[in-house]
Amino acid sequence: SYELTQPLSVSVALGQTARITCGGNNIGTKGVHWYQQKPGQAPVLVIYRNSNRPSGIPERFSGSNSGNTATLTINRAQAGDEADYYCQVWDSSTVFGGGTKLTVL
Amino acid sequence: QLVESGGGVVQPGRSLRLSCAASGFTFSSYAMHWVRQAPGKGLEWVALISHDGSNKYYAESVKGRFTISRDTSKNTLYLQMNSLRPDDTAVYYCARVRLFYYGMDLWGQGTTVTISS
Repeated sequence: SYELTQPLSVSVALGQTARITCGGNNIGTKGVHWYQQKPGQAPVLVIYRNSNRPSGIPERFSGSNSGNTATLTINRAQAGDEADYYCQVWDSSTVFGGGTKLTVL
Repeated sequence: QLVESGGGVVQPGRSLRLSCAASGFTFSSYAMHWVRQAPGKGLEWVALISHDGSNKYYAESVKGRFTISRDTSKNTLYLQMNSLRPDDTAVYYCARVRLFYYGMDLWGQGTTVTISS
């Protein structure tokens, strides 16, 4: 079965740029979605199909996907961006990455 | 919105049926997922049903024990869970998706299932 690999944690200074990666075999050929989950809340879709932002998601959130790595980029990180982030693909079944805890310092 | 219900505490080996009531959108136009999250763990996909119920997919961990279904007349998604095990303990979320390869753009608040003797 297809596997997605994310770093357990990423730290970023307030106002700087955070990058969260999602690795998978030829993931660049797939559509990658990203979810943000804050403690005690349901996940929220922040990027769909690699680089598209749903309505209501700030422009500070962007995504890219090439080769074996997809990346979620958060510009001008804010305290409110602290959360767990999950990547997900459809590969004849649905697969989630293990999740990355983003800490804003 | 999506509102899950039916969670609770049950003994290993017993059954439970979860429901997910949809409102505010055309339920029959969307495929639906069940996703779960064990305490302190990440998201785990459980099952997917097509918009018309004709196609169903399951994670290996639940195949043969869980059944996903939907009733368009009631705008409700279901998850029948049989032969429950302690490792099925989790918060269960339902989520909608426009097409299989699209992102899940609407989630419920979750319902908690605890399997314990």
